[in-house]
Amino acid sequence: AQSVTQLGSHVSVSEGALVLLRCNYSSSVPPYLFWYVQYPNQGLQLLLKYTSAATLVKGINGFEAEFKKSETSFHLTKPSAHMSDAAEYFCAVSIIQGAQKLVFGQGTRLTINP
Amino acid sequence: DTEVTQTPKHLVMGMTNKKSLKCEQHMGHRAMYWYKQKAKKPPELMFVYSYEKLSINESVPSRFSPECPNSSLLNLHLHALQPEDSALYLCASSQRTGVNAEAFFGQGTRLTVV
Repeated sequence: AQSVTQLGSHVSVSEGALVLLRCNYSSSVPPYLFWYVQYPNQGLQLLLKYTSAATLVKGINGFEAEFKKSETSFHLTKPSAHMSDAAEYFCAVSIIQGAQKLVFGQGTRLTINP
Repeated sequence: DTEVTQTPKHLVMGMTNKKSLKCEQHMGHRAMYWYKQKAKKPPELMFVYSYEKLSINESVPSRFSPECPNSSLLNLHLHALQPEDSALYLCASSQRTGVNAEAFFGQGTRLTVV
């Protein structure tokens, strides 16, 4: 079964520092992967998605992710963290079981220190 | 209009009450979803409607009853809920149910069962 694992339930970085949120996938077929962000008391917002067209995917708010098949990874990065980036981040894999189903990782809470 | 609107934002109900959650989108999307999110957990799929027909029911208890009256509306009828059903209920929509479809999420309804 396809799944994703997010390493680190909580990541803390200083403002201006590099953000790296880790996601590894398990899939026997090319996966379709997504990163979503959830701000407190909000719904989920799509940051970016991988659909095999390019291994480096650029998303909103300065985030990007690189698909590495050899490492079965799809890590999310941002060169310089802003206070407004503090949120919960979810990696998800899309599967078809009659219709599309998103299977989410456990999430990573990102804290930004001033 | 790229919004998925959910009402109400907050709901407190007793275990003998009947209530409904409402979700609306005007993006012409033909797939709509209900997800349940417990505190500090990722969203979990409950139901998927594709072209107004129920495509996925993730073995959800019958006290949750979905309804899709038309392509823009999705309801979730609640009856005889338990305190453990307290959660954030998220509605989402996508243009289609393909494996690379982008899901747009609403802000959620925070439900408390007393």
